[in-house]
Amino acid sequence: AQRVTQPEKLLSVFKGAPVELKCNYSYSGSPELFWYVQYSRQRLQLLLRHISRESIKGFTADLNKGETSFHLKKPFAQEEDSAMYYCALSGHNTDKLIFGTGTRLQVFP
Amino acid sequence: KAGVTQTPRYLIKTRGQQVTLSCSPISGHRSVSWYQQTPGQGLQFLFEYFSETQRNKGNFPGRFSGRQFSNSRSEMNVSTLELGDSALYLCASTINLGDEQFFGPGTRLTVL
Repeated sequence: AQRVTQPEKLLSVFKGAPVELKCNYSYSGSPELFWYVQYSRQRLQLLLRHISRESIKGFTADLNKGETSFHLKKPFAQEEDSAMYYCALSGHNTDKLIFGTGTRLQVFP
Repeated sequence: KAGVTQTPRYLIKTRGQQVTLSCSPISGHRSVSWYQQTPGQGLQFLFEYFSETQRNKGNFPGRFSGRQFSNSRSEMNVSTLELGDSALYLCASTINLGDEQFFGPGTRLTVL
């Protein structure tokens, strides 16, 4: 079965603390993994994808095929990082995204 | 450049009615996907279109249908509305397969 699991509905941290948003996936094949973010009153937007291997807004995510995980990390959280974060995957020859249920990140001052 | 636009932004219907939602992709984008977002089920894939052809379909009943026009604009239709169809319907477009998807603001459908 194709599935994305985000175990935490809510993650609360203080500004400057490290952040790790967990994502595990189940997929038969080699999926592409993504993190999407939705800030308050804004559209869902791509944060990063594993094939890019980029750091966006200080966030990184490493694909661990052995553990089927794609956790999102940031060493020092900022208040403006407060948002809803969705992990998603897509397969071969399709733009269809399978989303996790999302994790709300709250960063307190 | 203009982003993905969706019309209408808000819609209220009653059970049994039908509804048509519209999505205009970013200029030059040829692929359009639709998603349903609800508090209970989260984001679920509905359809994917490329060059007027449905490339993929999610696990939704036949009451949900869609199409794409030659200008890449897309519509989705839901017939015989049920209370459970109340949701935010999102559309996303991309230039080509595998490229970044850009989401619209969504259409909020309320079924009474």
